[in-house]
Amino acid sequence: AQKVTQTQTSISVVEKTTVTMDCVYETRDSSYFLFWYKQTASGEIVFLIRQDSYKKENATVGHYSLNFQKPKSSIGLIITATQIEDSAVYFCAMREYSNNRIFFGDGTQLVVKP
Amino acid sequence: GPKVLQIPSHQIIDMGQMVTLNCDPVSNHLYFYWYKQILGQQMEFLVNFYNGKVMEKSKLFKDQFSVERPDGSYFTLKIQPTALEDSAVYFCASSLHNNQAPLFGEGTRLSVL
Repeated sequence: AQKVTQTQTSISVVEKTTVTMDCVYETRDSSYFLFWYKQTASGEIVFLIRQDSYKKENATVGHYSLNFQKPKSSIGLIITATQIEDSAVYFCAMREYSNNRIFFGDGTQLVVKP
Repeated sequence: GPKVLQIPSHQIIDMGQMVTLNCDPVSNHLYFYWYKQILGQQMEFLVNFYNGKVMEKSKLFKDQFSVERPDGSYFTLKIQPTALEDSAVYFCASSLHNNQAPLFGEGTRLSVL
């Protein structure tokens, strides 16, 4: 069975600070791919960053980075220097190597305030 | 950058009617997906499609659902007949390789009355 869990329903931060969003997953596959997307207020879904299970180094793209803790089946998203426009719902997702389904978590609403 | 286009953005139909949701994927992409989202909640996998065939489908992909991509044109999701519980936003996505993060369209909001 495959499962992606995001326990934080909503987070509110002040702009220019750093925020971490949690995500844990369950899989029996030894190889898998992890993704983070954000969904804006308009409904647009934007891919942000990925982590392949075989890579030990945490992925970084712009002001997004990941905290990949494989023994804990955890893939946290870190956003540094947050901006107002980072306000969105952030979804964690996983695909096992053995199939083509991508499963999403329930999402975390991020509100960045001035 | 490349975009996945979905047409129409909003569709309103009466229960029991047929509806076809159209997706224009990125031109060189080979893998296609449909997801269903109710009221900004979790994105739920419906189906994926490759080389003219359904590769995998979920329990949400009822018998009334079908997908096709005739001659490399639109990738379509057809629901016949529709039910009230089919009201949701349907997202199409595509990727070149199956290990890539798919690009998503902006969704079609389906309202079944």
